[in-house]
Amino acid sequence: AQSVTQPDIHITVSEGASLELRCNYSYGATPYLFWYVQSPGQGLQLLLKYFSGDTLVQGIKGFEAEFKRSQSSFNLRKASVHWSDAAEYFCAVGPGFGNEKLTFGTGTRLTIIP
Amino acid sequence: DVKVTQSSRYLVKRTGEKVFLECVQDMDHENMFWYRQDPGLGLRLIYFSYDVKMKEKGDIPEGYSVSREKKERFSLILESASTNQTSMYLCASSSGGQGGGYTFGSGTRLTVV
Repeated sequence: AQSVTQPDIHITVSEGASLELRCNYSYGATPYLFWYVQSPGQGLQLLLKYFSGDTLVQGIKGFEAEFKRSQSSFNLRKASVHWSDAAEYFCAVGPGFGNEKLTFGTGTRLTIIP
Repeated sequence: DVKVTQSSRYLVKRTGEKVFLECVQDMDHENMFWYRQDPGLGLRLIYFSYDVKMKEKGDIPEGYSVSREKKERFSLILESASTNQTSMYLCASSSGGQGGGYTFGSGTRLTVV
């Protein structure tokens, strides 16, 4: 069965600092990987996705993620965080084509301090 | 702007009531999903549907049912609401094909008292 682990429940960073959120997955085949962001009281918004090809993918709001098959990881990064990045972040994995059922991690809450 | 609309942002219902949560998408998507979100547990799949009048159980279907009579509408039904169903409910849709990801609604926060 597919699964996703986000080992960090809560991360606090200073505004302007760099950020890395960790995601490890378990999946039997080539995974389709996603990062979503959820602002307080809102639904989830897609940040970026990986299917194949270049293992470094760019997303919206200046985020990027790197797929590392050997480590079963898909970590999210941002070079310089802004106060508006405070939110909860979810990693998800799925089989992709023909079956869109995704499995989500438990999320990482990001707090930004001035 | 394409969207998934959930009819209520907040609902308060009494134990034992029958509750309907409605979700409508305007993107002509084949796939629709209902998740519940609880602190520390992330998103858990309740039911999903790949086509009209089709439904599949997710990971936690107990106490829930769904209806999809039209392509754009996917309803979640709590037959007899209980306090352990107090949660945030998220509807999502996707187009199928090569993994475009989900589009989510804004969520319905349901409190059962």
